[in-house]
Order: sequence, then C-alpha cells, then structure tokens
Amino acid sequence: GESVGLHLPTLSVQEGDNSIINCAYSNSASDYFIWYKQESGKGPQFIIDIRSNMDKRQGQRVTVLLNKTVKHLSLQIAATQPGDSAVYFCAEILKTGNQFYFGTGTSLTVIP
Amino acid sequence: DSGVTQTPKHLITATGQRVTLRCSPRSGDLSVYWYQQSLDQGLQFLIQYYNGEERAKGNILERFSAQQFPDLHSELNLSSLELGDSALYFCASSVGEGVQAFFGQGTRLTVV
Repeated sequence: GESVGLHLPTLSVQEGDNSIINCAYSNSASDYFIWYKQESGKGPQFIIDIRSNMDKRQGQRVTVLLNKTVKHLSLQIAATQPGDSAVYFCAEILKTGNQFYFGTGTSLTVIP
Repeated sequence: DSGVTQTPKHLITATGQRVTLRCSPRSGDLSVYWYQQSLDQGLQFLIQYYNGEERAKGNILERFSAQQFPDLHSELNLSSLELGDSALYFCASSVGEGVQAFFGQGTRLTVV
C-alpha cells in the first residue's frame, strides 16, 4: 500500500494550548486528504478534509494545512480540550484509486 | 452516530471457524469500504464496493471475501480463522468515490 506516516506517535499538550499533528505522505498523485479522530472503542470520526488544489482549510477549532512540495499534512487544533484526547489519523486518497490509505496514528493526550 | 451500522459488535470464535460481519451503510451511500485494525495498528484497507461492484482491493487475504447486495448492505466473510485475525473490523460508507467516508463502530473479532 501507499506510505502515509506520522512524525510522532504520541503527543501530550496542556488543556488550552494549541496542538499540531503532522503527517507525511509519499504519493504525489494523491488528490484528497482527510483527518479522522478515533476515540477508544469507537470508529474513526471525520474531522476535516482538504483537496490537493488547496493548501489550507479551516473548520471549527481545527485547521488543516497541506504542503504538496514536501508532501506534508498537518492538523492544528486550537485551544485543545480534554475531549480532544484520541488517536488522530490522516488518510490519503489517490486520484486513480478508491481506497483510503491511513497512517498508524498519533495519540493525543490532553493534560487538564 | 455516523449512520453506518455494523453487527455484531463483538464476536468470539475458535480457530478454523468462519464468521460473517455485516454492514449497513448510511442511507443514500453507494460505496462501502472494509478495514481491519489490529491492536495498536492503523487501519488496513481490505476491499471497496460501489453499487454492488467490487472497485478496489487492498491486502485482503484469500480466506476473506466480501460482497455488496442490491440493497447496498455489505458482508465480510472470514474463514479458516487464525489467532492473528483477531482485530477490529470497520466498515465505512460514502455517497460516491473519492469523497469523505463515514465509519461504523466496528466489530471486535476475537479468535481463541
């Protein structure tokens, strides 16, 4: 499968601080990227997505940045809350394929 | 609630047995994806269907098979089960291809 990896497997932040989760991808033919959040015992939940013709997209407290030059994706969470504690996955979808390739995830722990 | 329903939630079975996991996609979604998630691992893509037709295949073992029925629900069949098949199996659905997918809560399979 394609290589979609994360720079850090774990991240701990203080409540109220901003969090940045990074993701590297290997295929420049990737067209679409999604960040998912997975809480313990639950299925992945869609957070935000971005297409390859954009370099930034903002949601509620979250921002995704895409740097196609270095094949890097990041998720920024503003004012991190305890409820943000989860594993975050980036997923990459190729133009020519239909499957979503996921990295191994980053575990975010928010310290109250 | 994502709208994707998976049954059963938990399944315990012995090695060598066969099981069927069921997925009902969100209303209106034509595409169904199956993923396997082993302990502390990322999501491994297995197979994808679109409107009853197989569209993409990942690292799915020959002992595993799937299908999507005319009513768009899907089943994943796992046979000759081995201890290493113990994992969470997720189904996701999307309205089309190359768009965001919504995940079910998963089926936790334990092979003893």
